[in-house]
Amino acid sequence: DIVMTQSPLSLPVTPGEPASISCRSSQSLLHSDGNTYLDWYLQKPGQSPQLLIYLASNRASGVPDRFSGSGSGTDFTLKISRVEAEDVGFYYCMQALHTPLTFGGGTKVEIK
Amino acid sequence: QVQLQQSGPGLVKPSQTLSLTCAISGDSVSSNSAAWNWIRQSPSRGLEWLGRTYYRSTWSNDYAVSVKSRITINPDTSKNQFSLHLNSVTPEDTAIYYCVRWVGAGYNYFDSWGQGTLVTVSS
Repeated sequence: DIVMTQSPLSLPVTPGEPASISCRSSQSLLHSDGNTYLDWYLQKPGQSPQLLIYLASNRASGVPDRFSGSGSGTDFTLKISRVEAEDVGFYYCMQALHTPLTFGGGTKVEIK
Repeated sequence: QVQLQQSGPGLVKPSQTLSLTCAISGDSVSSNSAAWNWIRQSPSRGLEWLGRTYYRSTWSNDYAVSVKSRITINPDTSKNQFSLHLNSVTPEDTAIYYCVRWVGAGYNYFDSWGQGTLVTVSS
């Protein structure tokens, strides 16, 4: 199974300031079709997870442009350019290359 | 817009079978580009993918090794829904269970989630 490791576990942030979350996979997520199968999800308090980023860097429909994803191979980053209060919750990376599909352990983003 | 509505009991006794249903609106369980998944979430295991069913000229299933001997995911085309059956449950199966739509075809992401069902395994 592909193991996904996120850091940090917790990220206190000041509104208006940037934030960054790292995700590492135990093997490359680059497929022979040229795509890199890494997704990011946000789980707001009391809600089901929602898709933020797919194919490592593509924002899902309706996701604000302050969210961006980058990375390749085994190392990935989710950045929030200016954190807003509504961005609090748990962020998860997930490898979408092979079953079993596997998630990182999550990063809790909270307002300072 | 796709919506997934979950139903099923929130309490199951040890050794019995956990059964949940997910009703689909806005898409078809027989879609050739989607797959229909069950994922659970618990403090000890985090988000854990359990398995999926999908139609690509024939029906197929994939299951996580951790539950493969105990799980069945079935489509119901007459009701446009799919179900999860997990037998021989123990307290370690206590979790929030989600039904989720997977969009494949070179995109590969979960784009629609059910509301979640907290299932407690206890006598």
